[in-house]
Amino acid sequence: NAGVTQTPKFRVLKTGQSMTLLCAQDMNHEYMYWYRQDPGMGLRLIHYSVGEGTTAKGEVPDGYNVSRLKKQNFLLGLESAAPSQTSVYFCASRDSGGATDTQYFGPGTRLTVL
Amino acid sequence: GESVGLHLPTLSVQEGDNSIINCAYSNSASDYFIWYKQESGKGPQFIIDIRSNMDKRQGQRVTVLLNKTVKHLSLQIAATQPGDSAVYFCAEIPMNTGFQKLVFGTGTRLLVSP
Repeated sequence: NAGVTQTPKFRVLKTGQSMTLLCAQDMNHEYMYWYRQDPGMGLRLIHYSVGEGTTAKGEVPDGYNVSRLKKQNFLLGLESAAPSQTSVYFCASRDSGGATDTQYFGPGTRLTVL
Repeated sequence: GESVGLHLPTLSVQEGDNSIINCAYSNSASDYFIWYKQESGKGPQFIIDIRSNMDKRQGQRVTVLLNKTVKHLSLQIAATQPGDSAVYFCAEIPMNTGFQKLVFGTGTRLLVSP
């Protein structure tokens, strides 16, 4: 049971390039989330999903797109990267029917946009 | 609006001391609170949670206290160890967010000296 995994761990992009971050969870969780974490700030929600085939905007969605084609995977896409998107990205998942509302986080992807 | 904040950005303690990390929240509609620990280069890790119908909950060496009157949350760590050094975040879940949106504070760094 690997929990929540993220790939890649590190990435450097040039302004205008595109990329996709992959999040996978093996806990059969319904809910999945993408956050970004910037220095001196807490985690901010980008997009989330309440189930396979559904996505919705969070607090800071601009410049990102997501897809949840399979229950276990949640993809975060940057179509045209900007330096302002330099950050650490965390994926999380949560069981909709569990005894706890806790979100479980992956190890993060550190993205630098030059 | 919603906000979760911390009084102290950095807390330095000696090994064996008890640590207290504080958090203030502003949304009186929040009904669930979580403390996360984040070590350098890793994702947030669940420590302990508490629901609004409780004022105290204990775990292994950790205790969370909730004072709804003054909208204050604290995390107490007994016999602090060097391995406890990390950034600690409090997070709240407002009752009116159907997808269980977590609102994070900015974090407090705990430094434990041997």
